[in-house]
Amino acid sequence: GQQVMQIPQYQHVQEGEDFTTYCNSSTTLSNIQWYKQRPGGHPVFLIQLVKSGEVKKQKRLTFQFGEAKKNSSLHITATQTTDVGTYFCAGRRVQGAQKLVFGQGTRLTINP
Amino acid sequence: GAVVSQHPSWVICKSGTSVKIECRSLDFQATTMFWYRQFPKQSLMLMATSNEGSKATYEQGVEKDKFLINHASLTLSTLTVTSAHPEDSSFYICSARDQGAVGTQYFGPGTRLTVL
Repeated sequence: GQQVMQIPQYQHVQEGEDFTTYCNSSTTLSNIQWYKQRPGGHPVFLIQLVKSGEVKKQKRLTFQFGEAKKNSSLHITATQTTDVGTYFCAGRRVQGAQKLVFGQGTRLTINP
Repeated sequence: GAVVSQHPSWVICKSGTSVKIECRSLDFQATTMFWYRQFPKQSLMLMATSNEGSKATYEQGVEKDKFLINHASLTLSTLTVTSAHPEDSSFYICSARDQGAVGTQYFGPGTRLTVL
């Protein structure tokens, strides 16, 4: 079945450093969504990417969708302590499909 | 963004009892809701897809007779863990898909179940 691999599993950075998490699917995706889950909290929707090669920015966060629509990345510039949490990507294989397949998540911790 | 509520937020029960968890979409209608289970420091595992007015679709390996799902209306889905055992202790999270927003899924705050 479809698999979504996410790396790294853990990342620890100094405050102010950049951070990137990568997501790779075994199959072409219709779209990909990114979520952030704070410790003890629930996943919160960040963004959805739909088009091949799409790049979206939210302040210090940059999201990319690969040309082949099989990979994606989230890059955070100059991390802050509020960025702590686990970042999940989730892909939908075909347009209109109900099910999202989640990556394993990347847990980000920050040294202030 | 859209709001999804979940009740209760945590529950402790004795082994052998049943526990019902409610998931509500507060400001939108959701024909489809999803139930996930999450173990500590792990990803979300989809248990089942709940469709309003029809039977739920369970993922492979999930016992439908143990995890009863009812999607009675466009804003409410319930998950009942029947005859709970300690190994059922987990964080259960529901999500609802907003039909009007290209399929964005919004998550509830989760229910932490502890079975003694």
